[in-house]
Formats: sequence, C-alpha cells, structure tokens
Amino acid sequence: SQKIEQNSEALNIQEGKTATLTCNYTNYSPAYLQWYRQDPGRGPVFLLLIRENEKEKRKERLKVTFDTTLKQSLFHITASQPADSATYLCALARGRGNNRLAFGKGNQVVVIP
Amino acid sequence: DVKVTQSSRYLVKRTGEKVFLECVQDMDHENMFWYRQDPGLGLRLIYFSYDVKMKEKGDIPEGYSVSREKKERFSLILESASTNQTSMYLCASSPRVALDQPQHFGDGTRLSIL
Repeated sequence: SQKIEQNSEALNIQEGKTATLTCNYTNYSPAYLQWYRQDPGRGPVFLLLIRENEKEKRKERLKVTFDTTLKQSLFHITASQPADSATYLCALARGRGNNRLAFGKGNQVVVIP
Repeated sequence: DVKVTQSSRYLVKRTGEKVFLECVQDMDHENMFWYRQDPGLGLRLIYFSYDVKMKEKGDIPEGYSVSREKKERFSLILESASTNQTSMYLCASSPRVALDQPQHFGDGTRLSIL
C-alpha cells in the first residue's frame, strides 16, 4: 500500500542549530514533492517544491533534498529560531496527470531559546 | 497574495443536521479541495474540483457531498452529520496552469458534532 512516513516524535532543537526532518515514501513515483509549514489552529502554508530531477533546493535558511532511489526527502532548517517552531508536512504528487497531493502526518519542531 | 476564506472558524452542530461549510478563493484558481485533518491521521482528501460543476471523490467521500456553482466558491455538505465527522476541515485551491503548483489553504473550520 502507499505510505508517507514522517517522524511522529517532536524534534526539540537548540536555537542556532540545524533541524533536519525526514519524509520517506513507498509505492509512489512522485514527479515532485512539496513541504508545508502548519502553525496551531492555522492551515498549512507552502514552503518549497522540489522536482524529481532536482537533487537539492534552497530558500533562505531552508534546504530540501530529494532522493528518488532512496524514496526520501530531507528538510533542513539552518540557524533555527524559536519562530521556526511549527509542524512541517511533506506532500507528494499522487499521479502524473493531476495536482492532487498526498500528505504526510507532519513532524513537529520545537526550537528552544 | 492568494486568499482562501472559510466561512466559520468554529461550528457546533447536532447529529442528523445538514451542515454546509463554505470556502471562497480570490485568485481565479481552477482547482479546489476539501480535506479533513485529525490527530494521528493527517490530512485526508474528501473531494476535489477542477472546474465549475466538476468534482471528483477523494479518499474519504462517504457522508459528504460538494457543490461548485461558481469558480471562486466550493461548498462541502455533510448530508446528515454524525459524531465521527467532528474534525478540522480545510479548504485549499491551486491554479491548473501547471501540475506542480502549490495549494493555498484557508485557516480551517473546527466542526464539532454533538
């Protein structure tokens, strides 16, 4: 069956360090993968997209990698700040002909001052 | 900036009632989505619409229907509300210009069915 796995345990990290989150998937062949941020009581907000032919994408302090052989994406927040505390969701394209997404359950990050 | 507006942040209804959740987007997006989000289960797609009057079932359509009479508005209908439909409901939209466009979400409606 199709699965998207993100760590269910919160990641507690000291301010200034790099937070790294993992998204593993099985039985998908996504053309792209997206990462979203969700704050409590709010809807997800899009952060980054990476395509299957891209190894790495950066946006300010965020970096995403995509390894289609390992079926894994890594999401990094460098020089983390308390304002980065949130839940981060990965989302995969479900198929090649539409823009329906399948979401992971999310991974909470807590940045400790 | 894209704005997706959901009509209510919090809603309390009774079992058996017909419930309407409304969503409006202001960016002329073709695609609109309804999800529900539950602890431990993540975001699950209920229905999807790629054009006016067009709809497709998602993963969990049972007990729900949708209406898309105008491009900017997508309504989710709980035909006869049940307690297991207590959840956070999220609406999203995206353009159809390319398949990899991000989805823009509203802030959700927290629905309680008593």
